[in-house]
Amino acid sequence: EPEVTQTPSHQVTQMGQEVILRCVPISNHLYFYWYRQILGQKVEFLVSFYNNEISEKSEIFDDQFSVERPDGSNFTLKIRSTKLEDSAMYFCASSELASSYNEQFFGPGTRLTVL
Amino acid sequence: AQSVTQLDSHVSVSEGTPVLLRCNYSSSYSPSLFWYVQHPNKGLQLLLKYTSAATLVKGINGFEAEFKKSETSFHLTKPSAHMSDAAEYFCVVSGNDMRFGAGTRLTVKP
Repeated sequence: EPEVTQTPSHQVTQMGQEVILRCVPISNHLYFYWYRQILGQKVEFLVSFYNNEISEKSEIFDDQFSVERPDGSNFTLKIRSTKLEDSAMYFCASSELASSYNEQFFGPGTRLTVL
Repeated sequence: AQSVTQLDSHVSVSEGTPVLLRCNYSSSYSPSLFWYVQHPNKGLQLLLKYTSAATLVKGINGFEAEFKKSETSFHLTKPSAHMSDAAEYFCVVSGNDMRFGAGTRLTVKP
């Protein structure tokens, strides 16, 4: 069964460093998403992406964040200058359609630890 | 604005007994509602979804949920818990983005 994959599973970085989290969505999906879950808190929407553009973004997704689909398979989240409060589990998701009826398929997550 | 509230942060049941995980939603229009499950070190897996068809929705692994508009609820149930059901469960409402509840941790005792 096709699945969303994410690398690395765990990333440790120093405050102020740039990190890139990588995702490979399901191959025929067109819509891509990033979510984060700070330890002990809710899963929060960050951004959605379609046709090489951001479709929606939350107030969390400020200028230090960016997303890119550099090739036909990867979807990346870059955090330019990490802060301690960026420590969280980051989930990538993809869906075939953008409809709110449509299921999003989630990856296993990348745990980011900022020291 | 849409949101969901999961009424229990932790539910503990014995194996073979019924499971009830409660979720209330808030939405200004007819919502799409989902239940996802997260096992340790795994991604979020869809259990079931409601998309304005039948109000009783059957999902995988024997789970089902009933959409009750009058109560703005979408509670998840299973007649008989199995040890493998122990996980974190998330109720989600979907619009332009997906809004997650805080999660309910289900523990199943032998």
